[in-house]
Amino acid sequence: NAGVMQNPRHLVRRRGQEARLRCSPMKGHSHVYWYRQLPEEGLKFMVYLQKENIIDESGMPKERFSAEFPKEGPSILRIQQVVRGDSAAYFCASHRGALGEKLFFGSGTQLSVL
Amino acid sequence: QKEVEQNSGPLSVPEGAIASLNCTYSDRGSQSFFWYRQYSGKSPELIMFIYSNGDKEDGRFTAQLNKASQYVSLLIRDSQPSDSATYLCAVNPGGGTSYGKLTFGQGTILTVHP
Repeated sequence: NAGVMQNPRHLVRRRGQEARLRCSPMKGHSHVYWYRQLPEEGLKFMVYLQKENIIDESGMPKERFSAEFPKEGPSILRIQQVVRGDSAAYFCASHRGALGEKLFFGSGTQLSVL
Repeated sequence: QKEVEQNSGPLSVPEGAIASLNCTYSDRGSQSFFWYRQYSGKSPELIMFIYSNGDKEDGRFTAQLNKASQYVSLLIRDSQPSDSATYLCAVNPGGGTSYGKLTFGQGTILTVHP
């Protein structure tokens, strides 16, 4: 029973490049969340997706960031034209969507922008 | 004012002692409260959740909730060196908000020394 799978584990990009972070939720989970953890800060909600739908993107920066969760395949968090301030740990989490259910986090992707 | 605020650390306790972690939240309508443990470089792991005023015990862990005071705490009895980690308080505002959309505090670093 695989947990929430994220890849890559570490991603290095130069300023101006694109970063693509992938997340496969736990089997049976159709609710996916992306969180960002900046150095010395807590986790911040970014976006909530269900299959083929963005439900809540209130935590996403208005520019350069996008997310999708297609019918087939993993959820993707895409950051265009990365800047040094995007360097952070990006965590994906999933659950089935019921109150009291445990929110399972993936191991995270550490993005470093040079 | 931060939405979820945790007592500033780091907190250092001797092995076998009780560790007390505190958290306050600003949204009076918040309905569910969580404590996560995060080891350095790892993903957050849920250790307790609580919805009702009072105490909830699970092994060596006790969560306490006081909605009138907007206060949540976590007690760890018989602290072990393996409990050394960052503890994150998280709040779900409820009111139709997705159960996985949490507001996290900045975390308290706990060190249990032998």
